[in-house]
Amino acid sequence: EAGVVQSPRYKIIEKKQPVAFWCNPISGHNTLYWYRQNLGQGPELLIRYENEEAVDDSQLPKDRFSAERLKGVDSTLKIQPAELGDSAVYLCASSLGGTSHNEQFFGPGTRLTVL
Amino acid sequence: TQLLEQSPQFLSIQEGENLTVYCNSSSVFSSLQWYRQEPGEGPVLLVTVVTGGEVKKLKRLTFQFGDARKDSSLHITAAQPGDTGLYLCAGARGGKLIFGQGTELSVKP
Repeated sequence: EAGVVQSPRYKIIEKKQPVAFWCNPISGHNTLYWYRQNLGQGPELLIRYENEEAVDDSQLPKDRFSAERLKGVDSTLKIQPAELGDSAVYLCASSLGGTSHNEQFFGPGTRLTVL
Repeated sequence: TQLLEQSPQFLSIQEGENLTVYCNSSSVFSSLQWYRQEPGEGPVLLVTVVTGGEVKKLKRLTFQFGDARKDSSLHITAAQPGDTGLYLCAGARGGKLIFGQGTELSVKP
């Protein structure tokens, strides 16, 4: 069974440019998460989806970040415009259910560098 | 302010030594998970502890959840170079996981 797929794996952009990350969760997983992980830190939740509905986006900086999961399967996270402080690893995870006891399966992440 | 404090942040030991990583909070969690993350990869779940005082063993790894469900520990016996990685604890609350900052473990042969 394929794991969580993310692309691209690496992205280098200049500040003020837009960038998008794509995630395909494990088949059958209704819950999808986007996290940001800064160097030397644990992941921080940006947004959680139950099917196509964003049920927790309280930590998403909505002035520049947006996300969508139109058909309740794969998802896109966008930053426009990017700032220097956005440099981090962006992780996507999925789980069978939305309770926090459920195991979350993480993708390899997209390492973003903003110059 | 970090809701979950892990200590130590960095640990470098020789193969065969024992070690303990701590995960502490002033808040109660409904469960606590431990993950291991290797460079360039996402975290992988090792264990979930749910009941206060619960102890779980995974080969040479022993996980304990505090009686008050505010803290946890991970003990590794006879560490091996393959144990090298970032160990993350994550507390469950309100439908989401809150991660600690991680413990970077290096086991030298």
